[in-house]
Amino acid sequence: DVKVTQSSRYLVKRTGEKVFLECVQDMDHENMFWYRQDPGLGLRLIYFSYDVKMKEKGDIPEGYSVSREKKERFSLILESASTNQTSMYLCASSPYGPRGGSNQPQHFGDGTRLSIL
Amino acid sequence: SQELEQSPQSLIVQEGKNLTINCTSSKTLYGLYWYKQKYGEGLIFLMMLQKGGEEKSHEKITAKLDEKKQQSSLHITASQPSHAGIYLCGADGGDSSYKLIFGSGTRLLVRP
Repeated sequence: DVKVTQSSRYLVKRTGEKVFLECVQDMDHENMFWYRQDPGLGLRLIYFSYDVKMKEKGDIPEGYSVSREKKERFSLILESASTNQTSMYLCASSPYGPRGGSNQPQHFGDGTRLSIL
Repeated sequence: SQELEQSPQSLIVQEGKNLTINCTSSKTLYGLYWYKQKYGEGLIFLMMLQKGGEEKSHEKITAKLDEKKQQSSLHITASQPSHAGIYLCGADGGDSSYKLIFGSGTRLLVRP
């Protein structure tokens, strides 16, 4: 089974802090994703990466950056945490799909519930 | 851009009853994914549908993609309290990227 591990289930930080959320997958997947999930807004894509050192902005990248130095690890960085970044953060990974075909299913970690005070 | 609409938004059923959740797309679906999320946890992949008319089952859960590939349904037979959670459909973004777009979810509660 695919295992996507997020470093923390719960995290409390203060406004202005630099926050690191870590995600590791053990299935050699090329693609990795960071989402945030908020009531009434659903899942929103922050950033994704389709290869080591490659990244692309999702729908809401402002206030975030990412790092992918190794294939199995994808880090989300809150440069200067703000209260509006309090949310559930979900990491996912997927392999490349067949050329011209549909994507492969994304597999998710357990999530990190982040509170910014 | 493609949008996914799920209905109903929430559902309360008595244990043992059958239920259906729908996911409707504004554009043709090239890959449709069903996930379940327990409260406060990550998403668990259930099934993927690609072909018009395709149907897949896992235990008591059956998912179908209509012939026109614009609507999918998830059917649970003889529901149990363990089926409770949030069900989300996801679809390929249609922009040749690896992104998925998600519906807003259906919250299911099964009363024992």
